[in-house]
Amino acid sequence: ETGVTQSPTHLIKTRGQQVTLRCSSQSGHNTVSWYQQALGQGPQFIFQYYREEENGRGNFPPRFSGLQFPNYSSELNVNALELDDSALYLCASSLATNEKLFFGSGTQLSVL
Amino acid sequence: GEDVEQSLFLSVREGDSSVINCTYTDSSSTYLYWYKQEPGAGLQLLTYIFSNMDMKQDQRLTVLLNKKDKHLSLRIADTQTGDSAIYFCAEITIASKLTFGTGTRLQVTL
Repeated sequence: ETGVTQSPTHLIKTRGQQVTLRCSSQSGHNTVSWYQQALGQGPQFIFQYYREEENGRGNFPPRFSGLQFPNYSSELNVNALELDDSALYLCASSLATNEKLFFGSGTQLSVL
Repeated sequence: GEDVEQSLFLSVREGDSSVINCTYTDSSSTYLYWYKQEPGAGLQLLTYIFSNMDMKQDQRLTVLLNKKDKHLSLRIADTQTGDSAIYFCAEITIASKLTFGTGTRLQVTL
């Protein structure tokens, strides 16, 4: 059973740029959730995708958007990057909504 | 509202028991979770408890839930240096999202 994989592991961008982060869900999982973890904080919920549709969103602006593909992999897109977007971005997959979440190792994004 | 609180730091000697505490506010939570995060890594699911249970034991881990006081604890028996990490408790809400605490850094000394 393959785990959750994320790419890239590290990324450096400048303010105003756009970024795309990718996530492959664990085998058999149809739900993907994205979290942002700032330094020294707990992860904050960005949004969840279930069968290619957004299924819940946290308190993040519209410049944070996502996609889920038919194979249940997912992308997180962030436009007009700000310095405060610097964080560890975590993807998690689950068998269904409200099921246990299994996390990937994350993408460390630095915005300069 | 949703708020999960944890103490920031705990130091224990190797071989002793560790108890990490957490309080939450959303009484509609169905499951409560404990995750472990090592430096530079993602979150590892350690254990979880359903809201109608009081206790769950899994090898060295014991989870206690006091639903009346909205208090959750994680006990690690015979704590080892490999247990040094940040531990997060989390509750799942009706929006299918996990709300995490700020994490407790566990330091295990020799």
